[in-house]
Amino acid sequence: EAQVTQNPRYLITVTGKKLTVTCSQNMNHEYMSWYRQDPGLGLRQIYYSMNVEVTDKGDVPEGYKVSRKEKRNFPLILESPSPNQTSLYFCASSLFLLSGGPYNEQFFGPGTRLTVL
Amino acid sequence: GESVGLHLPTLSVQEGDNSIINCAYSNSASDYFIWYKQESGKGPQFIIDIRSNMDKRQGQRVTVLLNKTVKHLSLQIAATQPGDSAVYFCAEKPNAGGTSYGKLTFGQGTILTVHP
Repeated sequence: EAQVTQNPRYLITVTGKKLTVTCSQNMNHEYMSWYRQDPGLGLRQIYYSMNVEVTDKGDVPEGYKVSRKEKRNFPLILESPSPNQTSLYFCASSLFLLSGGPYNEQFFGPGTRLTVL
Repeated sequence: GESVGLHLPTLSVQEGDNSIINCAYSNSASDYFIWYKQESGKGPQFIIDIRSNMDKRQGQRVTVLLNKTVKHLSLQIAATQPGDSAVYFCAEKPNAGGTSYGKLTFGQGTILTVHP
């Protein structure tokens, strides 16, 4: 089954304790992206990756790191989490983000609910 | 399910009615737009997209209209069904080139409620 998986689905941690949220897709997609979703603010892009070893900042990259060593994986790293990073996080992938074409559909993972105390 | 928004615009319709969800986008240089649907407790789901060189695009029961003059996007859902109840987001891709090519900016969303 074609899908984007995220782990863990739920995580409660404490300020300053490094954590990694994994994201994996099995569709051979080039483009992957991380978003956070907060009440009243919609989805905001954290980082994205156009392909292996190519990553760029989205609108809210501060406090996050990413890596793209393999095509299928795009982990999100919080080196020193803070309470303002408490949020719902989504990973997504697509064949590649075009200016309109048949393969632009972004597939989203199920989300990771992170609470930083 | 999880609450995805507070004080979002809301639209309530009766089953079978047509729904129109609106979105004002911010960047006149954006060249690509997408509508997503998010049901409670789930990730967003792609509905339909449109390029900036188009005014209208139709899918199954959905139509997206783009008015670049006033930077306005709308999603029309025909014969709305209870299963259409969700939060709907528009997203825009700025045509900034270079390292911003993969950026995507989402609107805050509209809550659609369909009454049987």
